[in-house]
Amino acid sequence: GAGVSQSPSNKVTEKGKDVELRCDPISGHTALYWYRQSLGQGLEFLIYFQGNSAPDKSGLPSDRFSAERTGGSVSTLTIQRTQQEDSAVYLCASSPQLRGGTGELFFGEGSRLTVL
Amino acid sequence: AQSVTQLGSHVSVSEGALVLLRCNYSSSVPPYLFWYVQYPNQGLQLLLKYTSAATLVKGINGFEAEFKKSETSFHLTKPSAHMSDAAEYFCAVSSGSARQLTFGSGTQLTVLP
Repeated sequence: GAGVSQSPSNKVTEKGKDVELRCDPISGHTALYWYRQSLGQGLEFLIYFQGNSAPDKSGLPSDRFSAERTGGSVSTLTIQRTQQEDSAVYLCASSPQLRGGTGELFFGEGSRLTVL
Repeated sequence: AQSVTQLGSHVSVSEGALVLLRCNYSSSVPPYLFWYVQYPNQGLQLLLKYTSAATLVKGINGFEAEFKKSETSFHLTKPSAHMSDAAEYFCAVSSGSARQLTFGSGTQLTVLP
């Protein structure tokens, strides 16, 4: 498809298990973002990839969270030893990243994670 | 540093009434400002954006927003609400060297028949 694709759309896991969330950005978009949306709260920035540059990991809440982007395209967000407070919708977005500023972000529909 | 404050987590209007969703930002340099809309179980969709051109920005679905530097505001308006406008609306800012958007906490808009 032409949009940002995320999988799985829903994931239920037990506390302590590891989970992987996948994002397939729009072809040609050099920037990729992960945000977390918790119930009743806004979007919390997690991590940002831009081309071959080192990612901006400043938003990752703990060392249980990590992400990688292979070949400048698909990204995987991994949460190790999940906790109940990790329950949220994880949104991925990509952008053509205009020079000198932030272009429009195109969002996927999100992966809803529930930790029991 | 950049931040966004959305006043009112829930706003209710009658169908046909004016919609006004408030957003104030904080930025040490001229910002880029955005409004996104999120319908239930969907991702965010861009409504409109301000990037230092005209201060009155028109977006999709009849929405518009005015950048007021003196008030550090970027309020979203629509003259006449429609039932299909019911959704959550997010204001966002990007400024300086920041390459990520900072989002407000969102405003849930309810349109009453």
